[in-house]
Formats: sequence, C-alpha cells, structure tokens
Amino acid sequence: DQQVKQNSPSLSVQEGRISILNCDYTNSMFDYFLWYKKYPAEGPTFLISISSIKDKNEDGRFTVFLNKSAKHLSLHIVPSQPGDSAVYFCAASDHYNSGNTPLVFGKGTRLSVIA
Amino acid sequence: GAGVSQTPSNKVTEKGKYVELRCDPISGHTALYWYRQSLGQGPEFLIYFQGTGAADDSGLPNDRFFAVRPEGSVSTLKIQRTERGDSAVYLCASSKTGADTEAFFGQGTRLTVV
Repeated sequence: DQQVKQNSPSLSVQEGRISILNCDYTNSMFDYFLWYKKYPAEGPTFLISISSIKDKNEDGRFTVFLNKSAKHLSLHIVPSQPGDSAVYFCAASDHYNSGNTPLVFGKGTRLSVIA
Repeated sequence: GAGVSQTPSNKVTEKGKYVELRCDPISGHTALYWYRQSLGQGPEFLIYFQGTGAADDSGLPNDRFFAVRPEGSVSTLKIQRTERGDSAVYLCASSKTGADTEAFFGQGTRLTVV
C-alpha cells in the first residue's frame, strides 16, 4: 500500500514555463514533507521541505504547496531550466508527532525541461 | 569527507554469495539510514541508526539482511545468500539530528546479483 503517491511518472515542460509536480499521501499522521531531486548515478539531493503547520514554502524558483485537507502537495518550479531535468521524489514523515521516523518516498516523477 | 561516501559504487555477485556494502557518513552526523531503490521505485527504508545502535530495523526484508555501525560512524550493510531479487541501488544517508528531515544521501551502490 503506497502511502506516498506520485501519479505522474513523467512530465515535459518548455524552458521558461512553470513545472508543477504533484504528490498525494494517505497517512494522516504525516506532518513533514520534503522534495528530493535525483540525477542519474547520483544520490537524491534535498530540495525543499514544508511542515504541516504551513501551507506554502518558497525558496527561489521552488515553491511547495500543502493542502492538508486533500492530503496533497505540489512542487512548483518557475521558470523551469534545462538543468532542472531530473527525477523528483516526494517524501513524508511522521516527524513532529513521533520523532525519529524514516522518510516514506513516492515513486518519483521524471521532469524533462526542453530548451 | 565532504559528503556521504558509499563503496563500492557497483557490485556484481553470484546468486548465493555474501556481500558487504559500506557507508561513510558526513563527519559528526549521528543518524544514519539505509534505503534500497529498485528500478522504477522510490527509495524504500531498510534501517536507521542513532549512534551505534539500530533505532529502527523494521524495513529489513528478511534475516539475510543485517547492518552494523560499531563505532557510530561507518556502517556496513551485509547481505547473506544473495538472491536475484536483491538487485537494486542501495542508498545510505546521514543527518545531524535524530530524524532524517534533511538527510544527505550518498551516490549509492548498484548491486547486481546474477
């Protein structure tokens, strides 16, 4: 049973446009959410996070939105650049409630930014 | 080193053999995690160490898998009697605090069992 779902395996966007990557979760105990970016033959690198007390967190071109009632979060990248082409993983944890719980990852979405 | 280092980067082994995968975390990081990523999947949690002790090993798939971190730094993931289904990328991550909220990952070890 997938607790974190990324239903779009791939996404293509033109350079300069907005990329929107979506993530849904089923476990209502999750209170901390992260996005990781992964290039081939490298480990995932942390991109941005959000706690459940917020509904938006912004860092430069990257913004994460959280809709707790819908159990949905999204990552917006604007403007998209060719170097953003990678696999993006959504991850969640029951961090603030339970402390040291491991991250649960989605299957990832492969973003291709076309020049 | 500056980042999490995993060795070897690639390992090919025959079915039934024993393998060890090594993780050298970022200096000073007390928490260390092992994940496994199969093709087309996201990383799946295996085990978490806080210092020398395994705080959570609920993700280990069976008793063929074992991990140690004897001095609270380097960790070794050990797989006995390897099976073809064990083929995957094994990822290690470390973080300063006890929760992997912003864990730093190594590049992974690609294990292929033939």
